[in-house]
Amino acid sequence: DAGVTQSPTHLIKTRGQQVTLRCSPKSGHDTVSWYQQALGQGPQFIFQYYEEEERQRGNFPDRFSGHQFPNYSSELNVNALLLGDSALYLCASSSILAGGSYEQYFGPGTRLTVT
Amino acid sequence: AQSVTQLGSHVSVSEGALVLLRCNYSSSVPPYLFWYVQYPNQGLQLLLKYTSAATLVKGINGFEAEFKKSETSFHLTKPSAHMSDAAEYFCAVSEEGAQKLVFGQGTRLTINP
Repeated sequence: DAGVTQSPTHLIKTRGQQVTLRCSPKSGHDTVSWYQQALGQGPQFIFQYYEEEERQRGNFPDRFSGHQFPNYSSELNVNALLLGDSALYLCASSSILAGGSYEQYFGPGTRLTVT
Repeated sequence: AQSVTQLGSHVSVSEGALVLLRCNYSSSVPPYLFWYVQYPNQGLQLLLKYTSAATLVKGINGFEAEFKKSETSFHLTKPSAHMSDAAEYFCAVSEEGAQKLVFGQGTRLTINP
């Protein structure tokens, strides 16, 4: 059973550019959440997708957008990159139908470096 | 609003000694609480979770945590540290219906031989 997968593993971009990160959830999961983890910090919630719609959003600007596809996979897009966007981007999947604790399973992350 | 405070950004213990990582939370409703571990250059792995059942929760790799409502705490312990326990540990809180996790700043655990 494949867990959560993310691509690419590493990415280097220049300020002002746009980037797309991809995530495939754990088999049987229908909800995808994205988190940003700056160096030396805990992960910060960006947003969550369920049934192809944004269900919740954290305190991130509109430059951060996402999408969920019918197969539950998801993309995170960041426009007009800033140096401060350099971080590890984590994708987590869960199942609404599991109820209760909403346990989230994390992928290995994408390390984004903005120069 | 939910929040998590992890006391001590860096904890160092000797191999075989007790591990104690502290976590205090703030939540307006009964919370769900989690401990995750992160090894270098990897994602987060769930160690254990509290979901309003037993207050003493046992997880993987010999870790356990006790939910104390009166102290709003969820401290992580392991009786005997192993070198392989060296990693970053994160405490997180979630609320019913919210699904999003709110993380603490993390505690880096170092094991001395």
